[in-house]
Amino acid sequence: AQTVTQSQPEMSVQEAETVTLSCTYDTSESDYYLFWYKQPPSRQMILVIRQEAYKQQNATENRFSVNFQKAAKSFSLKISDSQLGDAAMYFCAYRSARSRGATNKLIFGTGTLLAVQP
Amino acid sequence: EPEVTQTPSHQVTQMGQEVILRCVPISNHLYFYWYRQILGQKVEFLVSFYNNEISEKSEIFDDQFSVERPDGSNFTLKIRSTKLEDSAMYFCASRTGEAFFGQGTRLTVV
Repeated sequence: AQTVTQSQPEMSVQEAETVTLSCTYDTSESDYYLFWYKQPPSRQMILVIRQEAYKQQNATENRFSVNFQKAAKSFSLKISDSQLGDAAMYFCAYRSARSRGATNKLIFGTGTLLAVQP
Repeated sequence: EPEVTQTPSHQVTQMGQEVILRCVPISNHLYFYWYRQILGQKVEFLVSFYNNEISEKSEIFDDQFSVERPDGSNFTLKIRSTKLEDSAMYFCASRTGEAFFGQGTRLTVV
């Protein structure tokens, strides 16, 4: 079974600085997707960024980028120029890329609570 | 922009009562999910639904739980006899490619 591990329960960053959130996963599959979701105090789950395992290039979305190391099964999230609105719980998630009809549910890590200091 | 809608946003119920949580997924999506998040804990998969039937369910999804897609648009989660430990945030999600989450229903069992 696949597992996702986030070893940092809490992180803190100064506004305008850069922070990196860590995530490792375990799988025997070769084709899958990885995601970072943001959960602000409203508790809505918001997709931040996604990475396809077959792509070597790291995904980037504005101030958010990932460092995907497939061999090491590592998927970290870098937030540049941190803003107060980035304060939230961040969840790393895995999803299999099995064929159509398969469940391909999301498997979440335990989350990292990010605080942004003004 | 299309979105997944959940109602109610917050429900308080007495232990032993039945509750129905409702979701309207995005219309052209094929896969539907319910997830649960107990306060301060991680998001856990409950059940997935595809082609009008359950495709996978977790150990949490016991006989007290059921899902339906009664009219081709709504997707409901029923808990027959709620327990204190059912208190959690319940998220509906739908996808064809990416999963889109609803805003959640906070269920409080007293």
